[in-house]
Amino acid sequence: EAQVTQNPRYLITVTGKKLTVTCSQNMNHEYMSWYRQDPGLGLRQIYYSMNVEVTDKGDVPEGYKVSRKEKRNFPLILESPSPNQTSLYFCASSFLLSGGTYNEQFFGPGTRLTVL
Amino acid sequence: AQSVTQPDIHITVSEGASLELRCNYSYGATPYLFWYVQSPGQGLQLLLKYFSGDTLVQGIKGFEAEFKRSQSSFNLRKPSVHWSDAAEYFCAVGTNTNAGKSTFGDGTTLTVKP
Repeated sequence: EAQVTQNPRYLITVTGKKLTVTCSQNMNHEYMSWYRQDPGLGLRQIYYSMNVEVTDKGDVPEGYKVSRKEKRNFPLILESPSPNQTSLYFCASSFLLSGGTYNEQFFGPGTRLTVL
Repeated sequence: AQSVTQPDIHITVSEGASLELRCNYSYGATPYLFWYVQSPGQGLQLLLKYFSGDTLVQGIKGFEAEFKRSQSSFNLRKPSVHWSDAAEYFCAVGTNTNAGKSTFGDGTTLTVKP
């Protein structure tokens, strides 16, 4: 089954304790992206990757890191989490169009993160 | 920079009534437009998309949307709403000049009355 998986689905942590949220897709998509969803603010893009070893900032990259060493995986790293990073996080993937942008995105189930 | 506005935070309609959810975008060139739906506790699922061509696009679950360049709009419509359509709806825009950037609206929550 074609899917995007995220782990963990739920995480409660404390300020300053490094954590990684994993994202994996089995559709051979070039494009992957991370979003955070907060009430009333929709989805805001954190980072995206157009292909292996190619990443770029979205609208809210501060406090986050990403890497794309393999095509299928795109982990999100919070090196020193703070309470304002409490949110619902979504990973998404897509294949690229001939014009260079991405097609429809396939979303993971989400990771609910609480930072105390 | 691109932006998306969904003017209606919350809409309530009766089952069987028609629905229109508004979406306005701001972008200088031709945008790539998407509507996604998020059911409670779920991820997002694509309803429909517009890249070029016919400005009226059909999607899944009986939804359609019309791209109007003159109004910078991409409104979502359904002629007869079902109780299972209750969800949050997001409009999103992508571009080919800033490939990779993805901008979502703040979402519209749809409540369906029996």
